[in-house]
Parts: sequence; C-alpha cells; structure tokens
Amino acid sequence: DTAVSQTPKYLVTQMGNDKSIKCEQNLGHDTMYWYKQDSKKFLKIMFSYNNKELIINETVPNRFSPKSPDKAHLNLHINSLELGDSAVYFCASSQGLAYDTQYFGPGTRLTVL
Amino acid sequence: GQSLEQPSEVTAVEGAIVQINCTYQTSGFYGLSWYQQHDGGAPTFLSYNALDGLEETGRFSSFLSRSDSYGYLLLQELQMKDSASYFCAVRDGDDKIIFGKGTRLHILP
Repeated sequence: DTAVSQTPKYLVTQMGNDKSIKCEQNLGHDTMYWYKQDSKKFLKIMFSYNNKELIINETVPNRFSPKSPDKAHLNLHINSLELGDSAVYFCASSQGLAYDTQYFGPGTRLTVL
Repeated sequence: GQSLEQPSEVTAVEGAIVQINCTYQTSGFYGLSWYQQHDGGAPTFLSYNALDGLEETGRFSSFLSRSDSYGYLLLQELQMKDSASYFCAVRDGDDKIIFGKGTRLHILP
C-alpha cells in the first residue's frame, strides 16, 4: 500500500487553465504539506495543514488554493496557470507539526505550455 | 534571512567514504534532517539529529553541532546506487521545515 499518493503523476496544460492535484496519505498522520521543486531542484514549502487547519502559508500567489477535506487528504487547486508554475509538486505528511520525519508522495510534474 | 548552505556537488569513488556538510542560519532550531532524492523520484528521509553528536544508521551517519550551526551526512562504503541528491533540512522556531538546495553526489566506479 502506498503511504502518500498523488494524482495525477503528470499534468500538461495550457496557460490560463485551472487544474487540481490530489494527495492522500494512509499513515494516520496529522500534518500534510505541499512543496514545489523547481528545475534547479530547490525544494520550497508552500503550505502545511495540521488536523485540516492551515498552519503555514508561504508567499505563494493566491492563485494556489489548498483544501483539506479531512486529515488524510490535502488537495491543491491552481487557477490561471502561468509558465512559471511549471515544476514538480510534492505532497508530504508527518506524524505531527513537531515531527521532522516527512513522507513524500511520488510528485506531480506540471508542465504549463 | 533563513538559509541552509551545502555544497552543490560532490564526487567520490565507489567503496569510499564521503561527507556532505550543511551549515544553517535560522530563527529558532529544533532539529536537522537529511533526505535522499534520486532523479525522477521523491525525497526519502534518511536521518534526524536534534541533539549534538553522531547518529548512525547502517552505512549512513549524521552529525550535529548546535553551537556551530553545522551538521554533516557521512556515507560509508559508497555504492553506485547512492548516486543521488542529498538535502539537509531544518525545522525552525515556527515549525517550518526549510530545505537546503541539495548536494548532487556523483559516484565513480
């Protein structure tokens, strides 16, 4: 069983479109995260949720909106996609905010044309 | 600002030992973690240090000196499969995990 899963694995879309990425964890963890990894491999946190509550919201354009329907799911919706949004997006989870061990999903490679 | 510095690339020979350093400057500090990422893959957790000293897990060890804001990852008996990027990460005083820019490890046969 996959611990942290994301769909889709690849996403190719045109500029201006709206798209969503879904993430689910079956580890029973309380905290979930979204990271963006650019072409230079720089891994940057975007959001974190703890028990469905938004904890960290980095300086991310408000075109990005996370939603956590329950503790096991954290989805990412992106409006009006731009070329600069092309990257790999990783979902991750940890036991709680105070736990440093993070378990990453396989990533979603987003390409905006 | 907050920053983690690690070398961008390191090259070593199969069977040898390599050390990847990480220095950090953050507002608050709870612990230093290390992650491995193969090309096309996801980061996977390797080790964690909250207190000064050495933590050993098989061929991998990690060291922390809080007074020096410094840590390192030591990989022994290098294997070709260890070719990957290695990231250090710090949890700061706001419980935010900050990653370094990663060290690309090249292993020569």
